[in-house]
Amino acid sequence: TQLLEQSPQFLSIQEGENLTVYCNSSSVFSSLQWYRQEPGEGPVLLVTVVTGGEVKKLKRLTFQFGDARKDSSLHITAAQPGDTGLYLCAGATNAGKSTFGDGTTLTVKP
Amino acid sequence: DTEVTQTPKHLVMGMTNKKSLKCEQHMGHRAMYWYKQKAKKPPELMFVYSYEKLSINESVPSRFSPECPNSSLLNLHLHALQPEDSALYLCASSQGWMGGIDTQYFGPGTRLTVL
Repeated sequence: TQLLEQSPQFLSIQEGENLTVYCNSSSVFSSLQWYRQEPGEGPVLLVTVVTGGEVKKLKRLTFQFGDARKDSSLHITAAQPGDTGLYLCAGATNAGKSTFGDGTTLTVKP
Repeated sequence: DTEVTQTPKHLVMGMTNKKSLKCEQHMGHRAMYWYKQKAKKPPELMFVYSYEKLSINESVPSRFSPECPNSSLLNLHLHALQPEDSALYLCASSQGWMGGIDTQYFGPGTRLTVL
């Protein structure tokens, strides 16, 4: 079983602060996805990273895929209340399954 | 268009009822998935259909019965559910390319309550 350890599990910060969420595994993934989910809604895809060492930016969000394709991070600059939600990383394998991290519940207070 | 639709949005059913959840995508994806998600937990995989054939069943109880009528549609038939089956049921789809980038796109989910 391929496991993805996501940390921290909960994060509560003030508007304007920066934060980083980590996703780590001992397994290699062909690609890794980051999703954001609001209560009662489905996860919304933020990014897919594929190449080891890849860095992708989406406005105030920066995603990095580790050189060995076993870990990833999500950094948010100047967090806003609208960033509040459950952040999920998911590692894709060649077997048609994705392994999800346990999620990070982010609360950004105004 | 990266939209996956699910109906109904909410469903309340008794333990003796039979109901179905529906999922549709028009992205030409050949893999479709059912997940169950409890509050503040990650989605748990239930079933995977690849090219309209059931390829993965994660030891799900038989009271859940998936069906893939064609490449765009995925159903989940429910019968004799238990209160602990109450959850958000998510459908997802992906291109289904083995060995390639296989990003899953999720629908909005069906909030199921079993009384």
